[in-house]
Amino acid sequence: ETGVTQSPTHLIKTRGQQVTLRCSSQSGHNTVSWYQQALGQGPQFIFQYYREEENGRGNFPPRFSGLQFPNYSSELNVNALELDDSALYLCASSSTGLAGSHYEQYFGPGTRLTVT
Amino acid sequence: SQQGEEDPQALSIQEGENATMNCSYKTSINNLQWYRQNSGRGLVHLILIRSNEREKHSGRLRVTLDTSKKSSSLLITASRAADTASYFCATALADYSGGYNKLIFGAGTRLAVHP
Repeated sequence: ETGVTQSPTHLIKTRGQQVTLRCSSQSGHNTVSWYQQALGQGPQFIFQYYREEENGRGNFPPRFSGLQFPNYSSELNVNALELDDSALYLCASSSTGLAGSHYEQYFGPGTRLTVT
Repeated sequence: SQQGEEDPQALSIQEGENATMNCSYKTSINNLQWYRQNSGRGLVHLILIRSNEREKHSGRLRVTLDTSKKSSSLLITASRAADTASYFCATALADYSGGYNKLIFGAGTRLAVHP
């Protein structure tokens, strides 16, 4: 167990709706990253939050947005859901040092989103 | 697009045999990490090897890194049925602009270990 938790475990939404996924990071970690994993593929980086600000973004449209809270937990919001948004959404917590060092990322169990 | 590419895509072996998975990547990296995923659930971090390291061990795992060939391998010795999972390599790019740590994953190797 990594100590990273995500909620909910499963979610079914209809095309056009909005969804919020939640992540609690591991104790001592100050950075949260979100990834989307389609079936049979590797995870793809959505964005990262550090010090409550977006700190890097992958190739995802603006309808994917996020928040990080003072306790380092995070939310991923997706507006105007599309069928292709169906995937496993993973959050990962890590610790970023002063030099921007790259540390191991510890993943939560994921939220499986199905858009119908 | 995915930087890392694992080879083979699928591997089927018997318990007790060794399993070797390879990963190739395209750009300069800060480090390379290997992860395991069981049945579409969360990823478990296995090992991190930095760009200035050539080999690393952790229990039954051995990882090598060849930055001149932009490749890495993961060896699992004396495999067990419980090792059945998907294995992913992920590269952390040598990108200090903004200091953010983005991992780029390959599509993974699906390992099946038969009793």
